[in-house]
Amino acid sequence: GNSVTQMEGPVTLSEEAFLTINCTYTATGYPSLFWYVQYPGEGLQLLLKATKADDKGSNKGFEATYRKETTSFHLEKGSVQVSDSAVYFCAPLGTDSSYKLIFGSGTRLLVRP
Amino acid sequence: DAGVIQSPRHEVTEMGQEVTLRCKPISGHNSLFWYRQTMMRGLELLIYFNNNVPIDDSGMPEDRFSAKMPNASFSTLKIQPSEPRDSAVYFCASSSTIGGDSGNTIYFGEGSWLTVV
Repeated sequence: GNSVTQMEGPVTLSEEAFLTINCTYTATGYPSLFWYVQYPGEGLQLLLKATKADDKGSNKGFEATYRKETTSFHLEKGSVQVSDSAVYFCAPLGTDSSYKLIFGSGTRLLVRP
Repeated sequence: DAGVIQSPRHEVTEMGQEVTLRCKPISGHNSLFWYRQTMMRGLELLIYFNNNVPIDDSGMPEDRFSAKMPNASFSTLKIQPSEPRDSAVYFCASSSTIGGDSGNTIYFGEGSWLTVV
């Protein structure tokens, strides 16, 4: 089955710093890859996705590139804002019979002014 | 279009009571998922349905938990009897297909925040 490993948090950055949150996965076939974000007290929101190798998903200044050779989908942003403080989840969606998202443990990001 | 709608948003109940959580998926979606989120275990998939049929309930913790989907626009997750360790946020999510385009996105509701005292 699918599994995902995210970097341990919390990640604490100053505003306008560069962000990278690492994500590697194991999956059967070639899964679609997703990043979700959860703001305090809220549910999960889709941040971005990529459906095939070398695709780049992007949204709100965040980017992640589907790297099949390294089975990775690292999340990046060039200049974080305080409002980006949240928990970020990486998740592969399998192409086998189990069509479900398996989430990593999440990485908490705290951006200080 | 409305997103996934869950109710209640917050519930506090006493141990031993029955709890029913409700979900209305996005119109046109035919897959529905129930997840549970706790600090200790993170996000766990409890059960998912395709075309109202339970496909995988291996994540349901025990017999006290049951889920139904009587039609395409409604699902319930029931806990009977409830216990303090069931305190968590329960998310319902839906997506448009299973087995087709692997790029389908799963959309989440805002969650039902359950506290069992």
